[in-house]
Amino acid sequence: SAVISQKPSRDICQRGTSLTIQCQVDSQVTMMFWYRQQPGQSLTLIATANQGSEATYESGFVIDKFPISRPNLTFSTLTVSNMSPEDSSIYLCSVAGGWGMNTEAFFGQGTRLTVV
Amino acid sequence: AQTVTQSQPEMSVQEAETVTLSCTYDTSESDYYLFWYKQPPSRQMILVIRQEAYKQQNATENRFSVNFQKAAKSFSLKISDSQLGDAAMYFCAYRSKDMRFGAGTRLTVKP
Repeated sequence: SAVISQKPSRDICQRGTSLTIQCQVDSQVTMMFWYRQQPGQSLTLIATANQGSEATYESGFVIDKFPISRPNLTFSTLTVSNMSPEDSSIYLCSVAGGWGMNTEAFFGQGTRLTVV
Repeated sequence: AQTVTQSQPEMSVQEAETVTLSCTYDTSESDYYLFWYKQPPSRQMILVIRQEAYKQQNATENRFSVNFQKAAKSFSLKISDSQLGDAAMYFCAYRSKDMRFGAGTRLTVKP
């Protein structure tokens, strides 16, 4: 299993500013994922972040808006840049134990972001 | 692209009764895994059960079991002897490389 610490747990930000969300894992993991979840809705994959390579973004998400860092096997950050009220959402960090598809994904408790 | 569909936005069950949550998926891959996750109001995602696509036998975990129909690309979750603590959002998920989620089903358990 993996224990994920995600910070901050919530924040209220002014439009036009940026927020960096941190994800710390208690063990080395190969694959890390960032999701966005609108209240009461499903999880939408933003990007996959593997250590030592550029993050891979899903359709509708771009690096300029959501830059990601993955400096080592236990840590990643997601920045929400130039925020607008439409960015208000829950952002979740997730990790998988390895390349094997049978490994479950573990999740942080999420960051609830409100942009005013 | 893989898609996961949960056609029941909300379901309700009486305590101690049985409820089935539906999930279908679309993929052209032959090797993959399927999961059901539970998300209570705390937002923590909790794994309920997983199913390997190459296994014909349906997975079971205590009161939770699945009905996996690979040809039909169907993966339903059955909760037996429902408890108040089962109330939550339930997400069906498909994994090949990354993990994709359905829209979710909000389960209410009535005492």
